[in-house]
Amino acid sequence: AQTVTQSQPEMSVQEAETVTLSCTYDTSESDYYLFWYKQPPSRQMILVIRQEAYKQQNATENRFSVNFQKAAKSFSLKISDSQLGDAAMYFCAYRSASSAGNKLTFGGGTRVLVKP
Amino acid sequence: DTGVSQNPRHKITKRGQNVTFRCDPISEHNRLYWYRQTLGQGPEFLTYFQNEAQLEKSRLLSDRFSAERPKGSFSTLEIQRTEQGDSAMYLCASSLGVGGATRNTQYFGPGTRLTVL
Repeated sequence: AQTVTQSQPEMSVQEAETVTLSCTYDTSESDYYLFWYKQPPSRQMILVIRQEAYKQQNATENRFSVNFQKAAKSFSLKISDSQLGDAAMYFCAYRSASSAGNKLTFGGGTRVLVKP
Repeated sequence: DTGVSQNPRHKITKRGQNVTFRCDPISEHNRLYWYRQTLGQGPEFLTYFQNEAQLEKSRLLSDRFSAERPKGSFSTLEIQRTEQGDSAMYLCASSLGVGGATRNTQYFGPGTRLTVL
């Protein structure tokens, strides 16, 4: 079974600075997808960024980028130019690319605090 | 595209009562998922539907839990004889279906927060 680990329960960042969230996963599969989701307080979970394992190029979405290291099974998220609205729980998630793979396996989350 | 909706948003019940939650997915999405999220944890998969067929159930889904998606549109999740350990946020998500990360991206609803007294 796949597992996803987020080793940082909480990270604090100054507004306009950069913060990097760590995620490692364990799988025996070669083809899969990785995601970062953001869950603001009392609000619904939204997709931040996704990465296909077969792509070597790291995904970027505006101020959000990932560092995908397949061999190391590492998938970190970098938030640049942090804004107050970035304060939230961030979850790393894994999904198999097999035809039977559908469920997301989530890590325990990292709380991001943004200081003005 | 109005997003995934869930009702009710909050439910308080007494131990032993039955509760039912509803999820309305994004209209063109044929896959629907249920997850449970306890305080301070990441969501855990419960079950998923492809159209009206329930294709996978987690071991977390005890026999007190039942989910349906009768016409391949909305879904209900029922918990019978609730226990205090059932207190959690129940999240619903939907996706288009097979075809890579973009088509299979799951979009989440706001969740139903259940409190069992």
